[in-house]
Amino acid sequence: GDSVTQKEGLVTLTEGLPVMLNCTYQTIYSNAFLFWYVHYLNESPRLLLKSSTDNKRTEHQGFHATLHKSSSSFHLQKSSAQLSDSALYYCALSSTGYQNFYFGKGTSLTVIP
Amino acid sequence: DMKVTQMPRYLIKRMGENVLLECGQDMSHETMYWYRQDPGLGLQLIYISYDVDSNSEGDIPKGYRVSRKKREHFSLILDSAKTNQTSVYFCASSWDRGLNNQAPLFGEGTRLSVL
Repeated sequence: GDSVTQKEGLVTLTEGLPVMLNCTYQTIYSNAFLFWYVHYLNESPRLLLKSSTDNKRTEHQGFHATLHKSSSSFHLQKSSAQLSDSALYYCALSSTGYQNFYFGKGTSLTVIP
Repeated sequence: DMKVTQMPRYLIKRMGENVLLECGQDMSHETMYWYRQDPGLGLQLIYISYDVDSNSEGDIPKGYRVSRKKREHFSLILDSAKTNQTSVYFCASSWDRGLNNQAPLFGEGTRLSVL
């Protein structure tokens, strides 16, 4: 079945350094939609980015990601981490059109001064 | 205002008690979800509902059941709660299936402790 892998469970970065959170996925369907959600403590998880177009960069709030279907990847990046980026980040996949969303286990990002 | 509302936000129950978690949305979304979130395990899908009385098991349905009698309302029921059901539960909803795979909109969660 469909699945999402986020290799890093915990990432700690110094403010100002680049961010890269890994996401790979598996699906037997060709119409993969990939998403990044951000979850701040005591808030709702909310959509950060989404894409279904191969090799096209998508950006929002300083973060960007490019869906690469050849490598089944959708890594989240940011050029310079800020303290306010500390949160839990989820990568998610939807590919069947029946609205079944599969989330990865999440990566907890902590940015330190 | 597009919103998913969960009630209650915090709940403490004793093992063996029944638990009812409620979720509402004001957007006429067809699809609704229940997830639980545990450290290191991420968001795990318990049940998905495609519309009124059209529910499907997710990845971890054991110990849970759901009810959807109105499109805007989706309930999660724990009959005889167990301590390992202590978790944060999130409800979410999204637009029609197949419509550009709209991303789910999440509620603020219910923190359940089963003692």
